[in-house]
Amino acid sequence: QQQVKQSPQSLIVQKGGIPIINCAYENTAFDYFPWYQQFPGKGPALLIAIRPDVSEKKEGRFTISFNKSAKQFSLHIMDSQPGDSATYFCAGRGSQGNLIFGKGTKLSVKP
Amino acid sequence: DAGITQSPRHKVTETGTPVTLRCHQTENHRYMYWYRQDPGHGLRLIHYSYGVKDTDKGEVSDGYSVSRSKTEDFLLTLESATSSQTSVYFCAISRELIAGELFFGEGSRLTVL
Repeated sequence: QQQVKQSPQSLIVQKGGIPIINCAYENTAFDYFPWYQQFPGKGPALLIAIRPDVSEKKEGRFTISFNKSAKQFSLHIMDSQPGDSATYFCAGRGSQGNLIFGKGTKLSVKP
Repeated sequence: DAGITQSPRHKVTETGTPVTLRCHQTENHRYMYWYRQDPGHGLRLIHYSYGVKDTDKGEVSDGYSVSRSKTEDFLLTLESATSSQTSVYFCAISRELIAGELFFGEGSRLTVL
């Protein structure tokens, strides 16, 4: 019930493509769903986040789509750039405030 | 960048030796966390602290202990390191426990031979 399942494990796209990373959760008590971005040798950093009462959130080229009934959410990166190459983690926040992370997706954007 | 410093950044040690990793913050945030990151497992919470001398276990706490004697410092100790504890360890801080945003340090890579 505490898991967040993330797919795919890795993803390669061409510059300008739209990579999509998917996450699914089981715990209906999750009330906040952030995405973290991690560059090699660095710690993760918050990229964008959504609450379950919203179906979509956009920040620049990054969009979260949220489907509450299916308990799924996804990250879309529009017009992807080589600088977007990083590992992305989705997460869900439990009732005690703890973040449960997915296992991560390594994205490579080829020039 | 949030003022979080982890030390050491890299360490190689042998099985059975004690290891202490240090996290120092200059943000005066109440909550501090230790995570480990392993391929195929993502980020897993080891221990967290909600104040000086107040700590609690996370999902993978076996083999680890923590201490927080000052607001700014959170120590992670492996009493007797094992090869399964080879990992990258991240410290994180937040303003609130029910936090939307965690601020992470740059990580400490530990290799146990």
